Amino acid sequence: GAVVSQHPSRVICKSGTSVKIECRSLDFQATTMFWYRQFPKKSLMLMATSNEGSKATYEQGVEKDKFLINHASLTLSTLTVTSAHPEDSSFYICSAAQWEQFFGPGTRLTVL
Amino acid sequence: QQPVQSPQAVILREGEDAVINCSSSKALYSVHWYRQKHGEAPVFLMILLKGGEQMRHEKISASFNEKKQQSSLYLTASQLSYSGTYFCGTERDGTSYGKLTFGQGTILTVHP
Repeated sequence: GAVVSQHPSRVICKSGTSVKIECRSLDFQATTMFWYRQFPKKSLMLMATSNEGSKATYEQGVEKDKFLINHASLTLSTLTVTSAHPEDSSFYICSAAQWEQFFGPGTRLTVL
Repeated sequence: QQPVQSPQAVILREGEDAVINCSSSKALYSVHWYRQKHGEAPVFLMILLKGGEQMRHEKISASFNEKKQQSSLYLTASQLSYSGTYFCGTERDGTSYGKLTFGQGTILTVHP
């Protein structure tokens, strides 16, 4: 299957700072990528759909100004958590879609 | 709307069989099945399409009953490697290009 990478795998930051997470599709071009958030022992919650060359589509209840998504190329989407707070601590996973979704390894964000 | 998975958890001995169900209150276009190991990203197992055939991946198979709006995942002669959390992801129509709503997950534990 296709390979999707995420960077960083873990990040710890202070409250109020911004954190950028990168999602790359390594061996195929992805016009559509998805960003999910997962709490411990919970399901994946779709945050937004990232579309190359256009604005992201956010799910209801997700603050677009807080979770900035940029899909600058067919192989890269970034999620920036702005002014992070402890309640933003979570496991963030991206996926790139061909026929099925290929998930990145996830980024564990801890906000102190 | 989030699909409902049952059971929430299953404990098996190696070699035993299990069935995991995924039900939706709305008509579905496709159902995707994933397995997630602790601390890792979900791994794709198979897709079932409306009007499509039952799918199979090694000793794991799945069916999709459109009338009942339900999919079932069948794990035959379970192996230790089958342990993990199984998620179904549903797609309401074919225009959303892979946008999935995931069930709450079913935790499968296989003991020697």
